[in-house]
Formats: sequence, structure tokens, C-alpha cells
Amino acid sequence: GIQVEQSPPDLILQEGANSTLRCNFSDSVNNLQWFHQNPWGQLINLFYIPSGTKQNGRLSATTVATERYSLLYISSSQTTDSGVYFCAVEIYRNTGGFKTIFGAGTRLFVKA
Amino acid sequence: DTEVTQTPKHLVMGMTNKKSLKCEQHMGHRAMYWYKQKAKKPPELMFVYSYEKLSINESVPSRFSPECPNSSLLNLHLHALQPEDSALYLCASSQGLAGGAPGKLFFGEGSRLTVL
Repeated sequence: GIQVEQSPPDLILQEGANSTLRCNFSDSVNNLQWFHQNPWGQLINLFYIPSGTKQNGRLSATTVATERYSLLYISSSQTTDSGVYFCAVEIYRNTGGFKTIFGAGTRLFVKA
Repeated sequence: DTEVTQTPKHLVMGMTNKKSLKCEQHMGHRAMYWYKQKAKKPPELMFVYSYEKLSINESVPSRFSPECPNSSLLNLHLHALQPEDSALYLCASSQGLAGGAPGKLFFGEGSRLTVL
């Protein structure tokens, strides 16, 4: 099956720093989403981005589907950015229907 | 505030108990999902309902029984669970796009289950 790899697995930043998170996937995908899971478990959808670049405040994402990777940029990080960032790819199942598969995540801690 | 509401937020049950997790959305979405997440792991898909019909069951043990009473509600009935079933259970919904693709996923806050 498809492999979804995220790097780095863990990241510690000083407040105000910038960072880039990467998601590689081993096969063609129908779509890709980035999520932030806060320390209480809530998963927030950050981007729905099959290709191209999108921006939302201090966050932006770029997906290059032909090269099978996506990047999430966090600028001027804040302590509230702490949590786990998941990349999730949408694939078509051989048995029919679509399925969303999550990468292992990047665990981010932003220090004050 | 999340637009997908899950209850209860926390549940402790014994292995012989029967309990249910509930999920509700009022975004008009036609696809709803149950995911299971163990500590420090990514969410894993359990079930997908599309237009109130079960479309995907990811080989989940029968002690988990999903139900979709209407397009806004999704239940997960639990019976004879094992301690290893302790996890965060996440409900999600999506609009559903042309061709059957799910579209953007919206998650609830989850129900944290402990099986003693």
C-alpha cells in the first residue's frame, strides 16, 4: 500500500522561528490535507491541497503532486502552534471508494 | 468551535459493559467516519458511511457496531471490548465530492475511551 512519510518526526522551536514540515508519499493520490492536532486531541483541518500553494495567515502549504511531496510552512511560530501536524492523503481503494491515510505526524513544541 | 459534536468526551467501561459513542454534524455533509487513534499514533480509519449507508468497514472486530440513523447522526455501539481497545475515537464528516471522493474532513473533539 501507499507509504506516507513525514519529517522531521519531532521539532522544537523558539517562539518567533520559522519551520518547514515535509510529507512524502509513495504513489499518486487523489488529494492531500494537512491537520493540526492540539494537546487536547482536537484535529483541525489546515489545508485541503491536491496541488499548488495556499496560504492562511502564518501558515502556507505547497503540494507538488508530480513529485509526490507536500510542504507545510509555519512562520513566526507561537506557543499555540505546539501539537502534532499530520499529513493525510486520499487514495482510491481497489475494492471501491476512497480512503484517507495519515502519516505518522510531526510533533512540534514551541518554547516561549 | 468544532461543527462536529461528539459525546461523551470521556468514557470508562468494563469489558462486559455495553455503551455507545455519539456524533452529530449540522453542516449538511453526506459522508461520516469513525477513526481510532492510539497514543502517539496517527488516526486509523474504522468505518465510512456515505448517504447513510455503510460503504467501508476496515475489518473492524464485531464488538464495534456502527449505526447511522440519519444524515446528521453517527453512533458507535461498543460491547465486550478489550483493554487494548482503549483509545481516542474520532468522528469526522465531509461534504462528499463528485466521483465519490470524500472532500475536506472535519473532525470532532473525540471520545476518550478507557476499557478496564
